[in-house]
Amino acid sequence: QKEVEQNSGPLSVPEGAIASLNCTYSDRGSQSFFWYRQYSGKSPELIMFIYSNGDKEDGRFTAQLNKASQYVSLLIRDSQPSDSATYLCAAWAGNNRKLIWGLGTSLAVNP
Amino acid sequence: GAVVSQHPSRVICKSGTSVKIECRSLDFQATTMFWYRQFPKQSLMLMATSNEGSKATYEQGVEKDKFLINHASLTLSTLTVTSAHPEDSSFYICSASTTGGQDQPQHFGDGTRLSIL
Repeated sequence: QKEVEQNSGPLSVPEGAIASLNCTYSDRGSQSFFWYRQYSGKSPELIMFIYSNGDKEDGRFTAQLNKASQYVSLLIRDSQPSDSATYLCAAWAGNNRKLIWGLGTSLAVNP
Repeated sequence: GAVVSQHPSRVICKSGTSVKIECRSLDFQATTMFWYRQFPKQSLMLMATSNEGSKATYEQGVEKDKFLINHASLTLSTLTVTSAHPEDSSFYICSASTTGGQDQPQHFGDGTRLSIL
């Protein structure tokens, strides 16, 4: 069973701090990974995707991938109350041609 | 870019009614579209994958005769929930991808909240 695991949270950080969201995956064959943000009652929106080991930065967001450890993370710098949402991690299961989704981590940024 | 439009946003109807949901990619051609269902406080559950011009591939446990999927063009896929019952009430979300492969992210529509009375 291919799985993606995330800590459900809630993760609570003060405004302006760095929020660190973590994700592990079981399928060593996965090559691409995606982070989505989902506000309550809304559909997911893409934040970042990463294919290569190392860091990928986009504005306040940095995705980190370590394939040897089967670990993906998302860092949010200068967290804002508007970042409060559930963050979904997904790994592409090549053999099945679909995304395997984590259950999401709830983030609360306190003003 | 990568805008996906989904309609309707909300449907309330009586048990036994069939409901059609449309998913359109507005500014790109979507070779593959995905249909998800999400119950409250749960993660996304993939129902089926549809490729333009082909029959949809359904996930295990999803009834293909109940959830009819059509992907007739590179910009439009439809999901029809036939003879809907209260247990079909859920949040249905489509996503679209240019290639449907690992190299392209999925872009989501705004979702359809279906309530069957």
